Amino acid sequence: AQKVTQAQTEISVVEKEDVTLDCVYETRDTTYYLFWYKQPPSGELVFLIRRNSFDEQNEISGRYSWNFQKSTSSFNFTITASQVVDSAVYFCALSEAGYSSASKIIFGSGTRLSIRP
Amino acid sequence: DAGITQSPRHKVTETGTPVTLRCHQTENHRYMYWYRQDPGHGLRLIHYSYGVKDTDKGEVSDGYSVSRSKTEDFLLTLESATSSQTSVYFCATRDTKNIQYFGAGTRLSVL
Repeated sequence: AQKVTQAQTEISVVEKEDVTLDCVYETRDTTYYLFWYKQPPSGELVFLIRRNSFDEQNEISGRYSWNFQKSTSSFNFTITASQVVDSAVYFCALSEAGYSSASKIIFGSGTRLSIRP
Repeated sequence: DAGITQSPRHKVTETGTPVTLRCHQTENHRYMYWYRQDPGHGLRLIHYSYGVKDTDKGEVSDGYSVSRSKTEDFLLTLESATSSQTSVYFCATRDTKNIQYFGAGTRLSVL
């Protein structure tokens, strides 16, 4: 069975600090996708990144970076020089690959990140 | 982003009444999903659709039914609402890159 664990329920840091959100997953599939979504206080779910299981290259997008390690089944998300606007709940998610399949997404329970001015 | 509209955005109803939530998309995506979001549970899949008239159950489907008569519309029905169905409901569609995009959500309160 597939499972996503975000052990950090809440994190609070001071603005400009770096912060890493942890994500550990379980799956028996050899091909799968990993995702991060952001849910700001307004409530919508915003897609941040999709990573394919056979692409272990780390990715950087501005202040955001993602570290995918298949050996430890982890897909961690780091925000560098955090800002108040980064305050949100962040969800890590896992789905099977293949467009013809249902590709149901399994979500972690989320990490609430608060950035203090 | 897929153009996804959920209606209503907020609803208060009484236990035992039927409730229908609507999801409308403008991107012609084949796959559509209904999730519920509750504190401590993240998002959980209720039902999904893989085409017109083609639907299947998710992990928390009891008490819910769905219908998809057109590609752009996916309806979620609570036949007889219960207080345990008080939640925030999200609709999503999936593009050809397997990315799911979400609507703004419907906040449902069952009193």
